[in-house]
Amino acid sequence: DGGITQSPKYLFRKEGQNVTLSCEQNLNHDAMYWYRQDPGQGLRLIYYSQIVNDFQKGDIAEGYSVSREKKESFPLTVTSAQKNPTAFYLCASNRLAALGTGELFFGEGSRLTVL
Amino acid sequence: AQRVTQPEKLLSVFKGAPVELKCNYSYSGSPELFWYVQYSRQRLQLLLRHISRESIKGFTADLNKGETSFHLKKPFAQEEDSAMYYCALRGGGKLIFGQGTELSVKP
Repeated sequence: DGGITQSPKYLFRKEGQNVTLSCEQNLNHDAMYWYRQDPGQGLRLIYYSQIVNDFQKGDIAEGYSVSREKKESFPLTVTSAQKNPTAFYLCASNRLAALGTGELFFGEGSRLTVL
Repeated sequence: AQRVTQPEKLLSVFKGAPVELKCNYSYSGSPELFWYVQYSRQRLQLLLRHISRESIKGFTADLNKGETSFHLKKPFAQEEDSAMYYCALRGGGKLIFGQGTELSVKP
C-alpha cells in the first residue's frame, strides 16, 4: 500500500525533552516537507528537502531540526528550544517533476502535546 | 513577500445556497494557486489548481490578477462539502498555505 506514513499519531512530551517524529514514504518522491498546523494559522512550513542530504528552512524552522539520509525518510526533531511545540504536524511529499502541479501528498499527521 | 490570506475562519451556509470562500495572495512573480481540502478524519488533499481551469465536485476558482484573488465558488452547496479548505500559492519550490476556512453546510 503506497503512501506516506507518519508516526506516532499521538505523542506526549515533558518540557525540556527532545522528540522525533517519523515520516516515511514509498512513493519514490524526491521532495519532502514538514508543516505545522495550528487552529487559525493554517499550515506553516517548517523544513523541506528536495534531494537526499540537503534541506532548507521554511518559515518557522527555529527549534526544529531535520535530516534526509534516505530518499524515503524525513524525520523531524522538535527540540527543547521550540517555545510552543504543542501542535499538529503534517508531513508531505511530491515528485520534483510534478512540482508545478502543486500536488502534495500528505500523511495523517502527528499530534504532539507538551505536558 | 509571499503571502496567502483567507479572511474567513468559518463560513456557514444552508444546503443549496451558493458558496464563496475568499483567498487573496501577495506574490511578486507569476502566481500559481491551488485549493486544498481536508474532510473530517481524512488527509489533506488537492481540490483544484488554477492552471487547469477545472471544476471539481462543482467547485471552480478563477485567478484575478488585478485583485490578487483566487476565490473558490460553488453555486449550490451540499452537506458533504463541509470541510476545511486551504488556499495555497507555489513559490520558490514550496507551497505556502493560507490560514484555512472551515465550511459548514447545514441541512
